[in-house]
Amino acid sequence: DAGITQSPRHKVTETGTPVTLRCHQTENHRYMYWYRQDPGHGLRLIHYSYGVKDTDKGEVSDGYSVSRSKTEDFLLTLESATSSQTSVYFCAISVGGGGLQETQYFGPGTRLLVL
Amino acid sequence: DQQVKQNSPSLSVQEGRISILNCDYTNSMFDYFLWYKKYPAEGPTFLISISSIKDKNEDGRFTVFLNKSAKHLSLHIVPSQPGDSAVYFCALKEYGNKLVFGAGTILRVKS
Repeated sequence: DAGITQSPRHKVTETGTPVTLRCHQTENHRYMYWYRQDPGHGLRLIHYSYGVKDTDKGEVSDGYSVSRSKTEDFLLTLESATSSQTSVYFCAISVGGGGLQETQYFGPGTRLLVL
Repeated sequence: DQQVKQNSPSLSVQEGRISILNCDYTNSMFDYFLWYKKYPAEGPTFLISISSIKDKNEDGRFTVFLNKSAKHLSLHIVPSQPGDSAVYFCALKEYGNKLVFGAGTILRVKS
């Protein structure tokens, strides 16, 4: 257990509404990540953070923003949800002290349905 | 263009036999390789990894092989057990501590 929680675990929303997903870690790790998982695509990186207020884009960042005001929390916001953002969202932390063999550990996921 | 390919969407194996899951990649700059296992409604869990300076790493029933010249990675599970039934993702580490994932292979172990 890497001490990662995600909230909410399930959410149904309507097209055009803003949505915020929260990732919380208890172990003070520097790197945090948001992924989405879709059939046929595996996990794709949306945004990641390498410290408080330090974030960068991933492969599929359009339509998403993130914020990290505290080490333990990493928020993912869908500014105006679209049906194409229906997915399962996973948060991850990187553990390993910054070396080559850092390994990512994942939270339980948030299942989002945009109607 | 996909940097990481798991060409077999699914694999079915009899309990007790060997399961072999494969992964091909295009970028020779990757230097660290991981396998994750995922059960339905759960997050992926780290299984085993290998760095580019090695060609094999073992952990119990799981062995990962790396063939750098062929840009090919494989995971062997021996013996396979019904509890191994899950989706397996290979993941390759690129710069900035980021991972690139394959699309996954669904493994079914029949008892």
